[in-house]
Amino acid sequence: KNEVEQSPQNLTAQEGEFITINCSYSVGISALHWLQQHPGGGIVSLFMLSSGKKKHGRLIATINIQEKHSSLHITASHPRDSAVYICAVGDNTDKLIFGTGTRLQVFP
Amino acid sequence: EPEVTQTPSHQVTQMGQEVILRCVPISNHLYFYWYRQILGQKVEFLVSFYNNEISEKSEIFDDQFSVERPDGSNFTLKIRSTKLEDSAMYFCASGLWTYEQYFGPGTRLTVT
Repeated sequence: KNEVEQSPQNLTAQEGEFITINCSYSVGISALHWLQQHPGGGIVSLFMLSSGKKKHGRLIATINIQEKHSSLHITASHPRDSAVYICAVGDNTDKLIFGTGTRLQVFP
Repeated sequence: EPEVTQTPSHQVTQMGQEVILRCVPISNHLYFYWYRQILGQKVEFLVSFYNNEISEKSEIFDDQFSVERPDGSNFTLKIRSTKLEDSAMYFCASGLWTYEQYFGPGTRLTVT
C-alpha cells in the first residue's frame, strides 16, 4: 500500500470551475506539503500545513489529522493552473514521502 | 524573495562518468535534501544533510552517491560512475526547520 495516495490521478476542468484534489496518508506526519510541478519539471511549494486550513489567493488547503486526509482546492480555475499537483508528507524523520501527483488540465 | 538555485539545468553525460550536481540553498537554512524523479514516476527521497553530516539516506543512495557542503553555501551531489538508470530530474531542497522544505528548479541528468 502506498503511504501517500492522491485522487484523482487526472482531472480536466473548464475555466472557472471549482477543483478539489485529495490526499490520504498512512504514516504519522510532522507536516503535509502541497507542491506544483509544471511541464518543465520545476517544483514550487504551495502550502505546508500541520493542522487546519491555509489560503493563498485562489488556493485553499485543508488537513484533517485524525482522518489523515488533506484537500487542495482551487477556486475559479484558470488554464494557467494546469500542472501536476503533488501531495507530500514529512514523516517523523526529515524526509518527504511523495504521492504520485494529480495532473490537472483546465480548458478555456 | 530568496530561493534555492541549482546548476546546471541540464547535464548530459556518458555512462561511467562522474557528475556533480550543484545547489545553492537559501542562505540561513540548516537542513538540506536531495530528491530525484525518474521520468513518469514520483519524486523519491535520496538524502538529508544537517550539521555537516548525512542525517538520513534512502536505499537508492548507495556508495556511488555522495554529498558535500564544501564552502558553507553550496550543497553538492556527486555520482561517481553514472549508470543509465541514474537518468532523472534531481531536486535540491533546503529548510530552516526540519518540517519545511523549499525546492530548487531541478537538474535534468541524462546518461547516455
